[in-house]
Amino acid sequence: AAGVIQSPRHLIKEKRETATLKCYPIPRHDTVYWYQQGPGQDPQFLISFYEKMQSDKGSIPDRFSAQQFSDYHSELNMSSLELGDSALYFCASSSGTSGYRETQYFGPGTRLLVL
Amino acid sequence: SQKIEQNSEALNIQEGKTATLTCNYTNYSPAYLQWYRQDPGRGPVFLLLIRENEKEKRKERLKVTFDTTLKQSLFHITASQPADSATYLCALHTGGFKTIFGAGTRLFVKA
Repeated sequence: AAGVIQSPRHLIKEKRETATLKCYPIPRHDTVYWYQQGPGQDPQFLISFYEKMQSDKGSIPDRFSAQQFSDYHSELNMSSLELGDSALYFCASSSGTSGYRETQYFGPGTRLLVL
Repeated sequence: SQKIEQNSEALNIQEGKTATLTCNYTNYSPAYLQWYRQDPGRGPVFLLLIRENEKEKRKERLKVTFDTTLKQSLFHITASQPADSATYLCALHTGGFKTIFGAGTRLFVKA
């Protein structure tokens, strides 16, 4: 079965640079979530989108923005990168139509290293 | 403030025994609670969901209980196997689309 796809899988950036992470949800899933997970930390909810509209917001810095496109893929844009942004970034998707919106299917993550 | 607590220390058990993991929360009234498994460097994988009006849920060797009075969920793995070794995350749905994760408990099952 198709899973959530994230790209790139690894990314190295310098401080103050910009990064764009991409997420392709499971086909027919209408909701996308972004999480940030630092080393040894729990996943921190950043933001979610439902039907291409922002549906909820968590601890996402103002330097970050995200959107969901017409094909339901989502991009997380991160500007003025700081050393503390180094983390694993997970995207997850879910579907309300299946009756199991609560179940989030996670992608493999993008490991971002800011030098 | 809102908080989710899981056993911060790793849990070491012998193969074949039952592992019991605890998730306590404060200042939440979640409609449901979920348990996920996470292996190093990989995304969490959904295991079980239990709703506020359910006391217990089972799936194969897994069992989850939910006590909204105690604000606690227990996650049990019976007949544990070394392949069960992973970090187990408790997650609360706090309304809307937001999910809050606990810090997780690392489980080591020794052969």
